[in-house]
Amino acid sequence: DTGVSQDPRHKITKRGQNVTFRCDPISEHNRLYWYRQTLGQGPEFLTYFQNEAQLEKSRLLSDRFSAERPKGSFSTLEIQRTEQGDSAMYLCASSLPPPFNTGELFFGEGSRLTVL
Amino acid sequence: SQELEQSPQSLIVQEGKNLTINCTSSKTLYGLYWYKQKYGEGLIFLMMLQKGGEEKSHEKITAKLDEKKQQSSLHITASQPSHAGIYLCGAARNTGGFKTIFGAGTRLFVKA
Repeated sequence: DTGVSQDPRHKITKRGQNVTFRCDPISEHNRLYWYRQTLGQGPEFLTYFQNEAQLEKSRLLSDRFSAERPKGSFSTLEIQRTEQGDSAMYLCASSLPPPFNTGELFFGEGSRLTVL
Repeated sequence: SQELEQSPQSLIVQEGKNLTINCTSSKTLYGLYWYKQKYGEGLIFLMMLQKGGEEKSHEKITAKLDEKKQQSSLHITASQPSHAGIYLCGAARNTGGFKTIFGAGTRLFVKA
């Protein structure tokens, strides 16, 4: 399968614990995006990378959230000291760079986080 | 995102019926995207519209862009159970298409 893959698909944790999600984009895609989606809402932009550089970060991303893409390939999203409000689906997407980028994002299946 | 308003929020139609979903932007559109999401899964790209008056079709789904009104509509002809899911419109917020902002989605249920 050469699509975007996310791991784990489901994570249940207790409040206060740290969690980390991993995203492997499509190999030739140099752009990688993280979104968060809560029940009944559309995906909310969190951050995006071009290669290893984090180019934009949403105000939604509190200090407890950190994302990295150290070698410009896979990315990790870590949430420290989780809160119940962090329960959501975390979606990763990747895209081609311009001029090949038509704006289409290729999404993974998501990582669902439940904080008890 | 409140930047993109979708209507209706949810829709139940009988199989075989036509339906329309609307998306209105509060800001200038550089590109308008339609995605479909099956419940609990990732998003699948349907089509992109860039120019005012542009219309694109994919199988029985047609989308149009009214750039002046900053609106887009998605029309499904002769709906089938396979059309059920969440339809999301997204907008590029700069000409480079760096990030996409999404609406809240329209949940479509098709009764067999």
